[in-house]
Amino acid sequence: NAGVTQTPKFRILKIGQSMTLQCAQDMNHNYMYWYRQDPGMGLKLIYYSVGAGITDKGEVPNGYNVSRSTTEDFPLRLELAAPSQTSVYFCASSYSLFREGNTIYFGEGSWLTVV
Amino acid sequence: QKEVEQDPGPLSVPEGAIVSLNCTYSNSAFQYFMWYRQYSRKGPELLMYTYSSGNKEDGRFTAQVDKSSKYISLFIRDSQPSDSATYLCAMSANDYKLSFGAGTTVTVRA
Repeated sequence: NAGVTQTPKFRILKIGQSMTLQCAQDMNHNYMYWYRQDPGMGLKLIYYSVGAGITDKGEVPNGYNVSRSTTEDFPLRLELAAPSQTSVYFCASSYSLFREGNTIYFGEGSWLTVV
Repeated sequence: QKEVEQDPGPLSVPEGAIVSLNCTYSNSAFQYFMWYRQYSRKGPELLMYTYSSGNKEDGRFTAQVDKSSKYISLFIRDSQPSDSATYLCAMSANDYKLSFGAGTTVTVRA
């Protein structure tokens, strides 16, 4: 059972370039998320999805786009990369949190540097 | 005011000490409270989950929730070097979105 798989692990982008961070989960979770984590700032929600074909903005969506064509996959697109997007990105998935023991499962993270 | 405030740390304690971690929150709609542990260069993993005021114990870990004061705590007894990590509090007001604290980095010295 792979859980949540993110690729790539590390990437360096030049300002203005675009890229897609891939995310896949094999737990049949309906909810999927993208977070970014900056030093001392905790995890900030970028986008989330409650099911295939449904996505919504989180706290910090500017400069990003997502799609959810299948239950398993939730790619994050960075358009016109900026230095402010240098961060660690985590994809995550879950069932409903309103049941004890249910939780958000995180991937290993993707370290992105924009230069 | 941030929705979730976490004591910033860092904390450095000797092996065997009790570690105390704290968060306060402003949103009275939060119903579910969690603590995550994050090792360096890894994703967070769930440590404790509580949904009512009071204490919940799991081995060396105790989670405490006081909804009237909007305050949650995590205690680690008999701390070990393997407990060295960043601890994140998280809270939810609905069934799919978590709000996280900024994290407290703990180092347990052997």
